[in-house]
Amino acid sequence: AQTVTQSQPEMSVQEAETVTLSCTYDTSESDYYLFWYKQPPSRQMILVIRQEAYKQQNATENRFSVNFQKAAKSFSLKISDSQLGDAAMYFCAYRAPEYGNKLVFGAGTILRVKS
Amino acid sequence: EPEVTQTPSHQVTQMGQEVILRCVPISNHLYFYWYRQILGQKVEFLVSFYNNEISEKSEIFDDQFSVERPDGSNFTLKIRSTKLEDSAMYFCASSPDKLSNQPQHFGDGTRLSIL
Repeated sequence: AQTVTQSQPEMSVQEAETVTLSCTYDTSESDYYLFWYKQPPSRQMILVIRQEAYKQQNATENRFSVNFQKAAKSFSLKISDSQLGDAAMYFCAYRAPEYGNKLVFGAGTILRVKS
Repeated sequence: EPEVTQTPSHQVTQMGQEVILRCVPISNHLYFYWYRQILGQKVEFLVSFYNNEISEKSEIFDDQFSVERPDGSNFTLKIRSTKLEDSAMYFCASSPDKLSNQPQHFGDGTRLSIL
């Protein structure tokens, strides 16, 4: 079964600093996709960034970037120049065609941003 | 930017009653999903829907649950006889097609409270 593990229940970062959220996953598939979703206190689910497993280049979206290590099955999210609005729950998610394209989520990491 | 719309934002229902949660997916999307998030827990897949039939369902999606696309725009989740443990946030999502690299767009969720 596909599993996604986020080992950090909670992280804190000072405003303007950089923080990295960890995610590991377990799969035997070679074709899959990875996502980070942000869930602010309003509980919306907002897509932050995505990575295709066949791409070696790490995805980047403005202040958000990933460190994708396929062999290690690791997919961490780096947030640079952290802002107060980044405070939220962050979920790592996996999706694969062989498993119906449903998203499998990790348990989430609460990110607190200190001013 | 097109959005997935969910109504109501909050539903309070007596145990044993039927409840219908409504979703309007993005208009040109073809795949639809329901996810559930019990307070403080991870987001869990319930069901996916394509071409007017269920593509996949999880073990959570038992006989008390059903989904329907009654017209060209709405996508509904019905819980026939609600239980206390059905209290959760329910998210609808849609994607353009079944390709895994297409992100799922989430609605803002419906908070279901069973009394």
